[in-house]
Amino acid sequence: GNSVTQMEGPVTLSEEAFLTINCTYTATGYPSLFWYVQYPGEGLQLLLKATKADDKGSNKGFEATYRKETTSFHLEKGSVQVSDSAVYFCALTSYSSASKIIFGSGTRLSIRP
Amino acid sequence: DTGVSQDPRHKITKRGQNVTFRCDPISEHNRLYWYRQTLGQGPEFLTYFQNEAQLEKSRLLSDRFSAERPKGSFSTLEIQRTEQGDSAMYLCASSLPRLAGVHNEQFFGPGTRLTVL
Repeated sequence: GNSVTQMEGPVTLSEEAFLTINCTYTATGYPSLFWYVQYPGEGLQLLLKATKADDKGSNKGFEATYRKETTSFHLEKGSVQVSDSAVYFCALTSYSSASKIIFGSGTRLSIRP
Repeated sequence: DTGVSQDPRHKITKRGQNVTFRCDPISEHNRLYWYRQTLGQGPEFLTYFQNEAQLEKSRLLSDRFSAERPKGSFSTLEIQRTEQGDSAMYLCASSLPRLAGVHNEQFFGPGTRLTVL
């Protein structure tokens, strides 16, 4: 079945550091890939998405590229801020799954000033 | 506020009691989803509706769980004879229908946190 595996946390970085959170997936067909973010005390929000191979999703300085050959969708940001502290979820959906989202287990990110 | 709303935000109950949660989706969205999120895990799909029709249920949804969307607008999720293992965050999401293979974004509500004592 379809699944998502992401880097375990927590991840603690200093402000302005480079961020990578690894994500790999298993899916039949051609899934759409997502990163969701959950800030403290808030609901899940879509951060970025990519719907086909080699697409790059980007938002708020975050980027992720859909790599079909390595079945990966790693999240990167060049210079993190304290306000980026949150839990990040890699996720996928596929046409065969009626758009239900399959989430990874989440990575908690803490940024030190 | 035109986002997805859920009520209550928190519910504490004793084992064996029944609980019901409500979700109000974004008004023009005809798809509605329920997910469950336990501590330290990502959300897991429970069920979804297109209009009033319940089209898919996860095997996570035991016979103690029932969801309805009677008029294709708000939805309720009921858990009968609650167990401590039911303690989790219950999330609702809504979206426009999927067209021509294009995934439409699901917008999530703030969730209902259930604690079963």
